[in-house]
Formats: sequence, C-alpha cells, structure tokens
Amino acid sequence: AQTVTQSQPEMSVQEAETVTLSCTYDTSESDYYLFWYKQPPSRQMILVIRQEAYKQQNATENRFSVNFQKAAKSFSLKISDSQLGDAAMYFCAYRSGNNNDMRFGAGTRLTVKP
Amino acid sequence: DVKVTQSSRYLVKRTGEKVFLECVQDMDHENMFWYRQDPGLGLRLIYFSYDVKMKEKGDIPEGYSVSREKKERFSLILESASTNQTSMYLCASSLARPSREQYFGPGTRLTVT
Repeated sequence: AQTVTQSQPEMSVQEAETVTLSCTYDTSESDYYLFWYKQPPSRQMILVIRQEAYKQQNATENRFSVNFQKAAKSFSLKISDSQLGDAAMYFCAYRSGNNNDMRFGAGTRLTVKP
Repeated sequence: DVKVTQSSRYLVKRTGEKVFLECVQDMDHENMFWYRQDPGLGLRLIYFSYDVKMKEKGDIPEGYSVSREKKERFSLILESASTNQTSMYLCASSLARPSREQYFGPGTRLTVT
C-alpha cells in the first residue's frame, strides 16, 4: 500500500522568509497525483498546489512551489515570502491514477513569527 | 464556489448511542469521502462513495457504516459509539477523475463519553 511521510511535525518561519516542508511517499505505480492541502486553525482544508506525476515541471502557485523528485519519491513544498495567514497544518497527499487509493501524511504544523 | 457542509461542528454522545453525521455537497460531485483526523496520524479514510448507493471501505471501516441515497448527501453512521471513536470527522467530495482535488467540509468534532 502507498504511504506518505511528513517527517516534520512542526516548523516555524519568520514572516517574509522562505520555508520548505518535506514529504516523501512510497509507491510502485507510475500514474499518480500529489497534493498539498492547508488546514488553517478552525477552518476548512483547502488545496494549495497539485502535481501530476507525468509532468517533469514543478508546479507553482504564486508564493507556493513544489520540488518534485520522482526518482527519490519526494514532494516538498516551498513557501516564499511567508505571511501570517500561512500559519496552518499542511498535509501532503497521494492519489492513485489507477484506483481510488488516497493517502495523507500526518501533517506539519507551520507557525509564522511576526 | 464548491460548498461542502456538515450537519454539526461539535457533537457529544454517550457510549453505545447510534450517531449520524451528515455531509452535503452542492457541486454535483461523483465522489464523496469520510475521513477521521487524529493528531499525529493525519487523515485516515473510513469510507468512499463513487456513486449513489455505491461505497468502498477505506483503511478503518470497523465500527462505521455509510449511506448515499442521493448524489449530494453522504452519511456516516456509528452504530454503537465507543470512546475510541472520539475524533474529528471530515467529509470531502470531488469529481471522478483522480487528478481532481477534494473539497472538504468544516469537520465535526465528536466526543463520546
């Protein structure tokens, strides 16, 4: 079964600085999708960024970008110019392209210091 | 905007009670999911539904059942609540294609005493 590992339970960053959240996954599939979701305190989980495994180019959404290393099965999230509103739990997720398997990591709690 | 709503934000039930958690989505999504969120464990899939009356077990279905009689509504049922089912329950929906993201509800924090 696929597994998703987030090795950093907590991270902190100074406002306006850059932080990278780590995620590794284990799969034998070639067709899959990777996601980063953000869960702000007491608010709904929302999608941050998505990466298709067949795409070599790293996905970017404004201040959020990923470093997708397919051979290493690594999918890290970089947040540039961190803002107070970025404080949240961040979950890395894997979705199989062949079946309904969906896996989430344990999450990383990001604190942004003013 | 996609909206996924859950019937309660907070719920307190007694051991042995039957508990219903309701989830409604308004975007005609084929897929609906029920997750349990616990600290240090992330989200774990309880059940998944890909169509009306269709369901698949997730990783932790024991002690739970689901019902999907209408496309927009997906219910999670705890037949006889136990203290180890105290948790945050998240509902989500998505289009059928695996490339599509899930949209989450606000969650129900269930406490079983």
